[in-house]
Parts: sequence; C-alpha cells; structure tokens
Amino acid sequence: EPEVTQTPSHQVTQMGQEVILRCVPISNHLYFYWYRQILGQKVEFLVSFYNNEISEKSEIFDDQFSVERPDGSNFTLKIRSTKLEDSAMYFCASSAPGGGYSYEQYFGPGTRLTVT
Amino acid sequence: KNQVEQSPQSLIILEGKNCTLQCNYTVSPFSNLRWYKQDTGRGPVSLTIMTFSENTKSNGRYTATLDADTKQSSLHITASQLSDSASYICVVSEGQAGTALIFGKGTTLSVSS
Repeated sequence: EPEVTQTPSHQVTQMGQEVILRCVPISNHLYFYWYRQILGQKVEFLVSFYNNEISEKSEIFDDQFSVERPDGSNFTLKIRSTKLEDSAMYFCASSAPGGGYSYEQYFGPGTRLTVT
Repeated sequence: KNQVEQSPQSLIILEGKNCTLQCNYTVSPFSNLRWYKQDTGRGPVSLTIMTFSENTKSNGRYTATLDADTKQSSLHITASQLSDSASYICVVSEGQAGTALIFGKGTTLSVSS
C-alpha cells in the first residue's frame, strides 16, 4: 500500500541553524500538508500546498518557515533559523487526487526535530 | 477561537468491552469532522470522516456520530482489542478550502487483558 515517507526520522540541530525536512507524498496525490506536534501537546496545522502554491497557513507558519516542491516527488519544509521552541515532531501528509476538504489525509511517520 | 475539546483525557478498559469517546467543537466555518488513531511515536491514521450532513459513519468496530447542531461528536469502539490502545483524536476541518485541520488533544485509551 502506498505511504507517505519522511526523512530524516530524527534531526538534531543547533539554535540558529537552517533545517530542511523532507517528505515524499503518495505519488498521485495533489494536496500536501505540514503539521507539528510538540511533545505532549496536540497536533497543529502549519500549511497546506496545492498546485505549487500555499493554499492555507496557520499563525505558526511565519517568515521563518517555507515549503517547496522542488521536483515531482519531494515536498520540503525549511526552517531558516531554528529556535528552541521549534523542537517538535513534524508530520507531512498528502491527500487524494483532486484534493479537497473531504478527502482523507495520509500522514507520514514524522521527523523529530531537536533544537539545542 | 476555533477549538476542539475531548473527553475523557484518558480511559482504561478491559479487552472485549465497549467504550465511547466524546468531542465538542467550536470551529467556523465547519467543513468536516474526522477521528484519527495515533499510536505513540507514529503519524495519525484516519478512522472516519463526516460532513455536516452525516449523522453516523462506521469503520469496522469504530462508529462515529455527529450532531452538527450541538457541535458534538462521539466515537464508539465495540469489542475492544489490545491493539486499540492508542490516542484517539477528534479533528475538525475549517476554512473555506477546508484543508486546515484543527486537532483535539486526544483521548488516551488503554485496553488491558
């Protein structure tokens, strides 16, 4: 069964450094998403992406964050200058052909980002 | 402010028993409501998706209900199994595009033998 994959599984970085989290969505999906989950807290929406542009974004997704689909298979989240409070599990998700609000979002296993 | 509240926070039941988890939401504009299962350290897995016009939806031993008037939903699990031990998260889709998901904190279910 097709699945969303994410790399790396765990990323450790120093405060102020740039990080890029990578995701490979399910191949025929058209909507892509990033979420984060701080340890012990609920999952929070960051951004949705469709047709090579941001569809929706939350207040968390400020100028330090950016997303890109550099080729036909990868979807990346970049954090330009990491802060301690960026430490969290970051989940990528994608949804079915045609996307839309009623389509199921398939989540990847997550990348745990630790900022020291 | 858009919010999704769940109860109870945690629940322990014996294998084979049934249980019901509750969700209240204040999300506008409302698009749909989802229930996810999340195992520790893993990504959420969708159980059900309901639009405002749907009152109930089943997926195997999981049955979700939705009352859009009172903005309440429930997830009923029948004949629980040890593998049902996980966090169950109520999620409401909001916004005009409906792609932004608002997550509850989840109910941690522990099934014991």
